[in-house]
Amino acid sequence: DVKVTQSSRYLVKRTGEKVFLECVQDMDHENMFWYRQDPGLGLRLIYFSYDVKMKEKGDIPEGYSVSREKKERFSLILESASTNQTSMYLCASSSDRNLYEQYFGPGTRLTVT
Amino acid sequence: KQEVTQIPAALSVPEGENLVLNCSFTDSAIYNLQWFRQDPGKGLTSLLLIQSSQREQTSGRLNASLDKSSGRSTLYIAASQPGDSATYLCAVSRLREYGNKLVFGAGTILRVKS
Repeated sequence: DVKVTQSSRYLVKRTGEKVFLECVQDMDHENMFWYRQDPGLGLRLIYFSYDVKMKEKGDIPEGYSVSREKKERFSLILESASTNQTSMYLCASSSDRNLYEQYFGPGTRLTVT
Repeated sequence: KQEVTQIPAALSVPEGENLVLNCSFTDSAIYNLQWFRQDPGKGLTSLLLIQSSQREQTSGRLNASLDKSSGRSTLYIAASQPGDSATYLCAVSRLREYGNKLVFGAGTILRVKS
């Protein structure tokens, strides 16, 4: 079974803190994605990566950066957390052999106070 | 810019009812459309994928249809069960050179009462 894991299920941070959200997949997938999910807005793509050290902005990249130093790991970084970044963050991965199927992690619910 | 809308936002039905969830999208130039299920506090599970050239897909009690020209898809759930209670999300694909970027609707929260 494909497994996508996220480092924390729940996280509480203070405004201005630097926050790291980690995602690891065990299927050697080329593509990895970070989404945020808010009530009434669905999932919105923040960043995605199609290879190690390669990244592309999604629809809402402002206030976020990403890092992919190894194929299995994709990190989302909030340089200076703000209250409007309180959200559910979901990571996903997909293979170039089957682009249409994204596997999702369980999500990290981040609260910024 | 592609926008995906799902109606209704929430639905509560008694067990055994047949029900329809609706999804509409503004740009008909999609590559495919997927329906996902999300249980509380969990990630997404893909239910059905319809290629842009297809009209429908079926899996067990689920049937999804696609009318690309009108920008609409429906998810039909037959003989609903309490275990079907979840959030159902629709997403359309915009195929790029790398990866497969999805645009999601806000979801329909379904509750099936026993």
